[in-house]
Amino acid sequence: DQQVKQNSPSLSVQEGRISILNCDYTNSMFDYFLWYKKYPAEGPTFLISISSIKDKNEDGRFTVFLNKSAKHLSLHIVPSQPGDSAVYFCAAQFQGAQKLVFGQGTRLTINP
Amino acid sequence: GAVVSQHPSWVICKSGTSVKIECRSLDFQATTMFWYRQFPKQSLMLMATSNEGSKATYEQGVEKDKFLINHASLTLSTLTVTSAHPEDSSFYICSAETGERVTEAFFGQGTRLTVV
Repeated sequence: DQQVKQNSPSLSVQEGRISILNCDYTNSMFDYFLWYKKYPAEGPTFLISISSIKDKNEDGRFTVFLNKSAKHLSLHIVPSQPGDSAVYFCAAQFQGAQKLVFGQGTRLTINP
Repeated sequence: GAVVSQHPSWVICKSGTSVKIECRSLDFQATTMFWYRQFPKQSLMLMATSNEGSKATYEQGVEKDKFLINHASLTLSTLTVTSAHPEDSSFYICSAETGERVTEAFFGQGTRLTVV
């Protein structure tokens, strides 16, 4: 049972444009959400996170939006750069728990 | 940021042999480490949670006798794949946390295991 879902396995965006990566979750008990970026043969690196009490968090070119009623979050990258090409994972965490539940990942390709 | 080192980055072994993967936190003490497995084009699946000085907690469906986890110190956890088979070929990644409820888990570089 996939509790965190990234339904788009891949996304291609022109350099300079906005990249929007989506993530849906099924368990309303998740109270913290994170986005990770992963290059091939490397471990994921943390990008940005959001608490369930917020609906938006911004850090430079990266903004995460959370819609609790829809159980949906999205990561916006603007402007997109070639170095942003990677696999992006969203992850969720239960209150009081340490482990992360990951989505399947979305491969983002930024075209020059 | 914190550094987690995983070794080896890749390994090829014969069926029936055992392989040990190390995960070290280099600049902080990790009371809890996590081991994940990733199949191609799939999500990172948590295998087990390991706490220093105690037995690991395995996720449902993960064979604890096959995937031996030892967390002997606050900076080192090891995963041993025993009697490896080709279906164990995968990308294994560890992560480490300080013991507080942190917002970022620090991941190792991962280990690509190929069993032939």
